[in-house]
Amino acid sequence: AQSVTQLGSHVSVSEGALVLLRCNYSSSVPPYLFWYVQYPNQGLQLLLKYTSAATLVKGINGFEAEFKKSETSFHLTKPSAHMSDAAEYFCAVRVSGSARQLTFGSGTQLTVLP
Amino acid sequence: EPEVTQTPSHQVTQMGQEVILRCVPISNHLYFYWYRQILGQKVEFLVSFYNNEISEKSEIFDDQFSVERPDGSNFTLKIRSTKLEDSAMYFCASSLGTSGKETQYFGPGTRLLVL
Repeated sequence: AQSVTQLGSHVSVSEGALVLLRCNYSSSVPPYLFWYVQYPNQGLQLLLKYTSAATLVKGINGFEAEFKKSETSFHLTKPSAHMSDAAEYFCAVRVSGSARQLTFGSGTQLTVLP
Repeated sequence: EPEVTQTPSHQVTQMGQEVILRCVPISNHLYFYWYRQILGQKVEFLVSFYNNEISEKSEIFDDQFSVERPDGSNFTLKIRSTKLEDSAMYFCASSLGTSGKETQYFGPGTRLLVL
């Protein structure tokens, strides 16, 4: 069975600083990995996904993530935080085959300080 | 841009009552899902649905839950006799296909409070 661990339930950064949100996965087969963002009182919006093509994936709003098989990681980064990035971020994994469900991490609440 | 919609946005009900949560998936999508998020906890998979039948369900999705696509556009989740522990945000999602790389598009959620 697959699983996802997000280190740090809360992360605070200053506006303009680097954002790094950590995600490690566990999967016995090659995974597909996703980052979703949830703004207050809204649903989950896809930021980016890894689908076994390029290991460095670029998403919306300047975010990117790098798939590192050796480290079983898929950390999310953004070079310069903006106030509007404040939200909760979820990493999710899905494996190929019959399983269609996404397995989510516990989420990381990002606070951006002025 | 097409989006998944859900109604109502909030629902308050008494324990033991039946509730129906409604979703309108993206129109050309074929696969539909329900997830829930209890306050402060992970988003959890409940059920997936394709071709008018359940494809997968989790341990959470017991006999109290059912899903239905009553017409060509709606997808519903029914909880037959609500319990306090059913209080959560319920998300509907849809996807065009079922390969692992397919994106699931989520609705804004229905916040259910069981008193």
